[in-house]
Formats: sequence, C-alpha cells, structure tokens
Amino acid sequence: DIQMTQSPSSLSASVGDRITITCRASQTIPTYLNWYHHKPGQAPKLLIFAVSNLESGVPSRFSGSGSGTDFTLTISGLQPEDFATYYCQQSYSAPLTFGGGTRVDIK
Amino acid sequence: EVQMVESGGGLIKPGGSLRLSCAASGFIFSNAWMNWVRQAPGRGLEWVARIKSKPDGETIDYAAPVKGRFIISRDDSKHTVYLQMNSLKIEDTALYYCATGRAFDIWGQGTMVTVSS
Repeated sequence: DIQMTQSPSSLSASVGDRITITCRASQTIPTYLNWYHHKPGQAPKLLIFAVSNLESGVPSRFSGSGSGTDFTLTISGLQPEDFATYYCQQSYSAPLTFGGGTRVDIK
Repeated sequence: EVQMVESGGGLIKPGGSLRLSCAASGFIFSNAWMNWVRQAPGRGLEWVARIKSKPDGETIDYAAPVKGRFIISRDDSKHTVYLQMNSLKIEDTALYYCATGRAFDIWGQGTMVTVSS
C-alpha cells in the first residue's frame, strides 16, 4: 500500500501569508496526486488534481507542484476562508490513501 | 444541479449491520467511479471503498480495515451507490461521505454512523 506523509501536521499563519504544505508518497505515484480542503461541518472540497491542475472555481492563490514522490501545495496570500485542514491523496493505485492532514489556523 | 445525498446512518451495536445509500443527480452516474470515504471523530479522512463504472468493468476495491466486512455496490438505474456494512466495530464510528471522480470532485454532506453498545 502507498503511504502518504504530510508535513507539517499543523501550522499557524496570518492573513496574507504564503504557506507551503508538503506531501511525500512511499513510492512513485507519477502525477496521481490531489489536494483537498476541509472545514468542520462541510464536505471536503477538491482544490487541485493531478499535481498542479486547479479545480474549476478554485482561486489562483492555490498552486501545486512536484513529481514522483514529493509534492507541495502553496497558498500565496492566505485569506480568512483558507483556514481549514488540507489533505493530499494519491489516486494512483488502490487502496487509495490520504495524507494525515495539515491544520492551518490563525496566528 | 450536481448533488449527492447520503442516508442510512445511525446508532448500531457492535456486530450489527447497516446499509448506507448515496443518491446522485446532475451528472452521468453510469460513467462515474463512486467512492466511500469516512472521517472518525478527531481523525483525518480515510478512503473506504470504490466501485468503477460498468464500462470500466465495475472493478471494486476496499481499504484493508473493511475488506471482508463491507460491500460496495451500485444501481445505475437509480443513480445510487450503496455501502453494506456488516460485523460493525466501534472503530467504524465515523461520518461517511460518498465521493465521485478519479479525483474526488463531488462529495455528499455525509451520514453519521455510530457503533456503540
């Protein structure tokens, strides 16, 4: 099974900050890496699919990069609505797996 | 409007069974790969099961903790995916979401399953 390791597990940041979350896969997953944003009481929301493709309607302050086993999600200019938990997920092979999550809260 | 609505959750004793349903609308269900994802209280997201579309062979996969106990199925005529959960354990307590797509671009709001004596 492919293990997904996210870091950090939590971070505190201010509105306007640039933050980066990393995700490492235990084996190569080509470009089958997706990022989600999840707020309490809401359904998770797809932000980025296939490493760097922005889902329709997602603001351009979100970006993704990486290849092979190492990937990053960057938010350039945090907005109040961005404080949430972020998950990476590999869709390369079953069992599909999520990272442990990164909670982003207000400093 | 694209929508998925889960139902069937509730309180159940360990060892019991429950069937969840997820009714979809607003997209071509018969072509969609359907998944169940859960979130236990205070924990992260955990993928549970997937059923591919009929054109893709209706291949089924499960996460290790539920394999042999849960069964995913679909009824394309009703635009519905099901999760039959048997031999439930306390650790199956979670909010269960259905989600569709190769990347999960559409999610339901979830249905809560509580396994407790």
